[in-house]
Amino acid sequence: AQSVTQLDSQVPVFEEAPVELRCNYSSSVSVYLFWYVQYPNQGLQLLLKYLSGSTLVKGINGFEAEFNKSQTSFHLRKPSVHISDTAEYFCAVSARAYKLSFGAGTTVTVRA
Amino acid sequence: GAVVSQHPSRVICKSGTSVKIECRSLDFQATTMFWYRQFPKKSLMLMATSNEGSKATYEQGVEKDKFLINHASLTLSTLTVTSAHPEDSSFYICSVEPRGDSPLHFGNGTRLTVT
Repeated sequence: AQSVTQLDSQVPVFEEAPVELRCNYSSSVSVYLFWYVQYPNQGLQLLLKYLSGSTLVKGINGFEAEFNKSQTSFHLRKPSVHISDTAEYFCAVSARAYKLSFGAGTTVTVRA
Repeated sequence: GAVVSQHPSRVICKSGTSVKIECRSLDFQATTMFWYRQFPKKSLMLMATSNEGSKATYEQGVEKDKFLINHASLTLSTLTVTSAHPEDSSFYICSVEPRGDSPLHFGNGTRLTVT
């Protein structure tokens, strides 16, 4: 089985500052890794995914994440956030195609 | 545009009644869909895998008689919450297993409130 731990439940950040959301996973097999964003009362939107290949993955809205196999991490970063980045962010892992296990989520609040 | 359509977006029902939530794959035929439940301030919990033409596969702890799943066509899966209770109030989200290397697409969710 796979599991995900998101190390920060809430991350307040000022506009135009950088942000990093931490995600660690556990699995006995190779995995696929994802970051999703959820705006209030909406479904999930894929930010980026790691399936194989380059460990630095670039996604939408200026986000990127780095897969670190030795540290079993997949941290999400953005160099400069906007007010519109205020949302809930979920890290997810899957060993079998697209049957995902989600982390508990990180609430990002961007302040002016 | 949207790849997955979920309906209704919000529903309020009385205890003891049943509620049906629809999940449609708009762009392609989907043999597999997933149903998740999200509690307030919590992550998504996979409830079941919906398989076209066969029985759904439920995760441990999910009552199959309580949450009926029907995947009668390649574009439609339905989740029926039977004999609803206030503790069934939650946000339900469906997703569609994609083709190839495409990302997993989610519906916009259904906010169920049982009074």
